[in-house]
Amino acid sequence: QSALTQPASVSGSPGQSITISCTGSNSDIGAYEYVSWYQHHPDKAPKLLISDVNYRPSGVSNRFSASKSGNTASLTISGLQAVDEADYYCSSYTTNFTVVFGGGTKLTVL
Amino acid sequence: QVELLQSGAEVKKPGSSVKVSCRVSGGNFRNFVISWVRQAPGQGLEWMGGIIPIFGTARYAQKFQGRVTLTTDGSTTIVYMEVSRLTSEDTAMYYCAKGLQPSRFYYGMDVWGQGTTVTVSS
Repeated sequence: QSALTQPASVSGSPGQSITISCTGSNSDIGAYEYVSWYQHHPDKAPKLLISDVNYRPSGVSNRFSASKSGNTASLTISGLQAVDEADYYCSSYTTNFTVVFGGGTKLTVL
Repeated sequence: QVELLQSGAEVKKPGSSVKVSCRVSGGNFRNFVISWVRQAPGQGLEWMGGIIPIFGTARYAQKFQGRVTLTTDGSTTIVYMEVSRLTSEDTAMYYCAKGLQPSRFYYGMDVWGQGTTVTVSS
């Protein structure tokens, strides 16, 4: 199972919105509505931002939203803040009944 | 409040095995998937496998099939991950993480352990 494809880096200024894409295949993203997104700050455990394509767990800011179309999922962060600077990972359930992560995207807040 | 507490850092020789534990506390989560995710230095997150403690059913990423074994203790509050035939490429931070909803591997992972560093070096 190959890793999902994410851009290596994205950047934005405070207050702006950015979108991170996550491209898979008919064997993962395209097969189910089971895409998750995580935020990972250095030296901390990853944090779940989104489950089931667009479900936001309790306590996660509504500045984070997500969607899916075909084999590509997207995470949008609105009202960018300095604290959002981190690595972001998508993951998907697969037709092998396993989970696969994307390669990660480093977000820089300018 | 659910917490996942992992065992401490390990240093191992190439070719040996390592067993890392993950204790789940703060509620009855024996029917929730506990996954293991690792991050090698400078690399991304990698799902290794997961287990539902109450059933003992484990699934593994193809890459780790046959080399990683997930088990639970009798009370199903501790999940173990054993990696055999270690190489330097297994040097990484290893996390356990709990599924958001019970009994399903496809939900996101909402509670994570603090991580366990495994270093493989001769």
